Amino acid sequence: TQLLEQSPQFLSIQEGENLTVYCNSSSVFSSLQWYRQEPGEGPVLLVTVVTGGEVKKLKRLTFQFGDARKDSSLHITAAQPGDTGLYLCAGFLWSNDYKLSFGAGTTVTVRA
Amino acid sequence: NAGVTQTPKFRILKIGQSMTLQCTQDMNHNYMYWYRQDPGMGLKLIYYSVGAGITDKGEVPNGYNVSRSTTEDFPLRLELAAPSQTSVYFCASSRDLSGNTIYFGEGSWLTVV
Repeated sequence: TQLLEQSPQFLSIQEGENLTVYCNSSSVFSSLQWYRQEPGEGPVLLVTVVTGGEVKKLKRLTFQFGDARKDSSLHITAAQPGDTGLYLCAGFLWSNDYKLSFGAGTTVTVRA
Repeated sequence: NAGVTQTPKFRILKIGQSMTLQCTQDMNHNYMYWYRQDPGMGLKLIYYSVGAGITDKGEVPNGYNVSRSTTEDFPLRLELAAPSQTSVYFCASSRDLSGNTIYFGEGSWLTVV
């Protein structure tokens, strides 16, 4: 059983469309991070959200942390082929700050 | 900028063999981690270290051992390799606790046959 559930598992869209990836848990996290991983490489941190209800924007990417600090979403506007990759959410539990728990990931493919 | 460097990149092991995955970081980070990534399962923490001489088990430590004799190096030892250890292994490091950036190496692909 995953501590963090991501949905959908796979997402294939046309260039220019919007997409949203969800990350849900029954646990409360002190902070939550989103990573993007490209084939043959390690995950790269996109953002860290810390405050419940927080919204962060990174160019065309919008990240939201749920009010209860149990869930998060990643929204990409006008997706481009360069957005293709595996998107992972990861959270630090209140009691275990140095143990980052990962979701299984969402594979996003943006077709030109 | 080297960051986190892992070797080897690829390795095929026979059942029962042993090997060490090397990891070194040049950012003077106290915290280092070893994860394994299996398809559809995300990353699972194998072992971690909060400083030289200090290591502890993560979620999936069985079949592995680590040591941390220096701040820079955090090798992962596989004893008596089993097919279940076929995976992609990532070493990572961070300056300190949650909310800080964790830097990952490029991964080591291990196949046990």
